[in-house]
Amino acid sequence: DAGVIQSPRHEVTEMGQEVTLRCKPISGHNSLFWYRQTMMRGLELLIYFNNNVPIDDSGMPEDRFSAKMPNASFSTLKIQPSEPRDSAVYFCASSPHPGLAGPDTQYFGPGTRLTVL
Amino acid sequence: KNEVEQSPQNLTAQEGEFITINCSYSVGISALHWLQQHPGGGIVSLFMLSSGKKKHGRLIATINIQEKHSSLHITASHPRDSAVYICAVKRTDKLIFGTGTRLQVFP
Repeated sequence: DAGVIQSPRHEVTEMGQEVTLRCKPISGHNSLFWYRQTMMRGLELLIYFNNNVPIDDSGMPEDRFSAKMPNASFSTLKIQPSEPRDSAVYFCASSPHPGLAGPDTQYFGPGTRLTVL
Repeated sequence: KNEVEQSPQNLTAQEGEFITINCSYSVGISALHWLQQHPGGGIVSLFMLSSGKKKHGRLIATINIQEKHSSLHITASHPRDSAVYICAVKRTDKLIFGTGTRLQVFP
């Protein structure tokens, strides 16, 4: 299995632009997680899906952030409009377990490093 | 104050030294996790603890539920142990992560 796939690996954009991050979970996994990592705040869980349904989006920082999972093999995290403070590494993870799976059962993608100028 | 605090933030060591990384939390939890993030960014799970102690190779993790504290120990440290070590706690409805401890082990 190729593991969790994220694209792009690096994104540089200008303030105000729309940014879309993509994730392909491991085939057969029921849960998908989006995280943001910064030096100041560490890893933060933004949102997670079970069977393509968003369960908890309380970690999404603002209405500028939205996430979708149209099918079991694809998810997007969109920021519109982007701001410099959104600069971070965004990780996607998937798990074969339902519910809020612990990190011990999550498989992390390589991350997308986003820089907003 | 963060609900999960790690110390130290940064740590340097000579190869062979004994390493301790600490994690304190202020909320009730069902489990505590230690993760390792390699310089390339990959994140892997090291331990899940709900009580006591676990050992895997040169890594040992302990937790004291009453004191809300966990430690990760590395014996006979090696340059390949250089990474960011992240503590995370799980409640029924939340996952909360520490900001990580950056460890560098020099030969």
